[in-house]
Amino acid sequence: DVKVTQSSRYLVKRTGEKVFLECVQDMDHENMFWYRQDPGLGLRLIYFSYDVKMKEKGDIPEGYSVSREKKERFSLILESASTNQTSMYLCASTTDLSGANVLTFGAGSRLTVL
Amino acid sequence: AQSVTQPDIHITVSEGASLELRCNYSYGATPYLFWYVQSPGQGLQLLLKYFSGDTLVQGIKGFEAEFKRSQSSFNLRKPSVHWSDAAEYFCAVGAPATGRRALTFGSGTRLQVQP
Repeated sequence: DVKVTQSSRYLVKRTGEKVFLECVQDMDHENMFWYRQDPGLGLRLIYFSYDVKMKEKGDIPEGYSVSREKKERFSLILESASTNQTSMYLCASTTDLSGANVLTFGAGSRLTVL
Repeated sequence: AQSVTQPDIHITVSEGASLELRCNYSYGATPYLFWYVQSPGQGLQLLLKYFSGDTLVQGIKGFEAEFKRSQSSFNLRKPSVHWSDAAEYFCAVGAPATGRRALTFGSGTRLQVQP
């Protein structure tokens, strides 16, 4: 069965800490995404990657960076966590970027920044 | 740029009643349209999609959606809701002609089902 795995379901961090959110997919997909989900705002795109070491900013990249050193793994990095980054983070992957891309999502990582 | 509007933040229906969730989009051409569902504690799952052709599409779990170009809408329907349908529903748009390579999601509609 196709899978996107987010290693941490719940994290609690302090303001100023560096935070790593990890996502691994086993479908050999070229394209991976990080979305942030907030009540009333839906899903907003932070970054996506279309190949190893290749990335593109989404709609809300400020305060975030990403890393894709291997095809199956896409990491979201909060260099210095802030309270306004408390949110649910969703990773997804897909085969193509044609716009007809059916995304496969992970279960999410809920981050609380104190 | 394209946008997606889900006017209803929260809807409550009785079990067995019919359901319609609204989705309107803004885009100059025919977009790719999706409905995803997020059950509590889980990631998003694809319910159905529309790319072209028949404007009434069938999905999983007894859901269907109708693309209406004249109204820029893609409303999701189910004739008889089950308690297990309680979840959050997201409409999404793919608009490659804009150069945007990722989907744009609506703000979601939370469905509550009363016994």
